[in-house]
Amino acid sequence: ETGVTQTPRHLVMGMTNKKSLKCEQHLGHNAMYWYKQSAKKPLELMFVYNFKEQTENNSVPSRFSPECPNSSHLFLHLHTLQPEDSALYLCASGRDSAEAFFGQGTRLTVV
Amino acid sequence: DQQVKQNSPSLSVQEGRISILNCDYTNSMFDYFLWYKKYPAEGPTFLISISSIKDKNEDGRFTVFLNKSAKHLSLHIVPSQPGDSAVYFCAASATRLTSGSRLTFGEGTQLTVNP
Repeated sequence: ETGVTQTPRHLVMGMTNKKSLKCEQHLGHNAMYWYKQSAKKPLELMFVYNFKEQTENNSVPSRFSPECPNSSHLFLHLHTLQPEDSALYLCASGRDSAEAFFGQGTRLTVV
Repeated sequence: DQQVKQNSPSLSVQEGRISILNCDYTNSMFDYFLWYKKYPAEGPTFLISISSIKDKNEDGRFTVFLNKSAKHLSLHIVPSQPGDSAVYFCAASATRLTSGSRLTFGEGTQLTVNP
């Protein structure tokens, strides 16, 4: 248990659906991240939020839309995804140090 | 452009022996390095880290070595236990350039410790 909670753990969605992934941390961290892990690829950083402000968008397609209403919550809104977007989506949080604490991930399947 | 590489996708060792996992990086701006462990259906768990001002950091059975001139780091686990079987990810950060945990990960190495 790392203190970072992601819901849902599994999600199957059609290409025309709209869904949201949720991440919550109560560790007092100021930074939150979305990472993507596709099969046989390294974890890829998608978005970085620091004190609720987006500080990095790593060339992510607009069909992925992050939202950070406060330092404890992070969402990833999904719409019109493609089958190749199927992956494990990991949320992480951290302070100014480099260590990131990860949630358990959401296994997303786009059909 | 893969800035952090783990060239061994898998490693198998006997219980009680040493496990050595290797990682190479290309970006000279990286100054902080971390190892994460990941079990199936779970997120990565932070294991141990090392700053570029050091060449060794030890925590119990886990030791990380950093060779800056070779841009190489390794994780030693001794003695290895069956519960250590997991995927191990190497990660690096350029902390002088970015605040927080902007990590670049390697592909991971599946470690299997046989009883």
